[in-house]
Amino acid sequence: GQSLEQPSEVTAVEGAIVQINCTYQTSGFYGLSWYQQHDGGAPTFLSYNALDGLEETGRFSSFLSRSDSYGYLLLQELQMKDSASYFCAVRSLSGNTPLVFGKGTRLSVIA
Amino acid sequence: KAGVTQTPRYLIKTRGQQVTLSCSPISGHRSVSWYQQTPGQGLQFLFEYFSETQRNKGNFPGRFSGRQFSNSRSEMNVSTLELGDSALYLCASSPRLPDQETQYFGPGTRLLVL
Repeated sequence: GQSLEQPSEVTAVEGAIVQINCTYQTSGFYGLSWYQQHDGGAPTFLSYNALDGLEETGRFSSFLSRSDSYGYLLLQELQMKDSASYFCAVRSLSGNTPLVFGKGTRLSVIA
Repeated sequence: KAGVTQTPRYLIKTRGQQVTLSCSPISGHRSVSWYQQTPGQGLQFLFEYFSETQRNKGNFPGRFSGRQFSNSRSEMNVSTLELGDSALYLCASSPRLPDQETQYFGPGTRLLVL
């Protein structure tokens, strides 16, 4: 089976850098995805790591290490609008399985 | 391209009733997935359809069912509603390409069961 672990809450200061970790237990998967969801809104796709290493998209970066069963989302120059929930997700290679999401990390950006 | 649309956006039902939710995916997307989200919970997987075939089903009772039509539009149905079915129901579509994993979510249908 698959399970993904994320911290439930993170608080950071405006302008700072924050890292949201995602550890997983799955035998093999296509890649690690990250989604952002604001209160009352729908999840939106942020990034996808098919290979190990760092992917950068503006202020957001995502990292994957398959050997360590670990990934993270890095948010730089935090803004108040970054306050949201962030979900990591994977789809297993074995069989025809759905995309499985972690329970999400609630990020609060404070002044 | 237009995004994923879901109807209705809000719904109030009473226990024992049934409900049908609709989802229109992004044009060209053949994969549609449904999720249930309750406060403080992650996205609980309900179904995944591809080209009118149910590819996966989550761990939900048989009261939850769904289908996909030839134009990729999808519906899900919940019969004999219970209070615990109150949730945000999200639909997501994707091109389901093997080298990427991007799902595009609709705004959701917020269901309240009284």
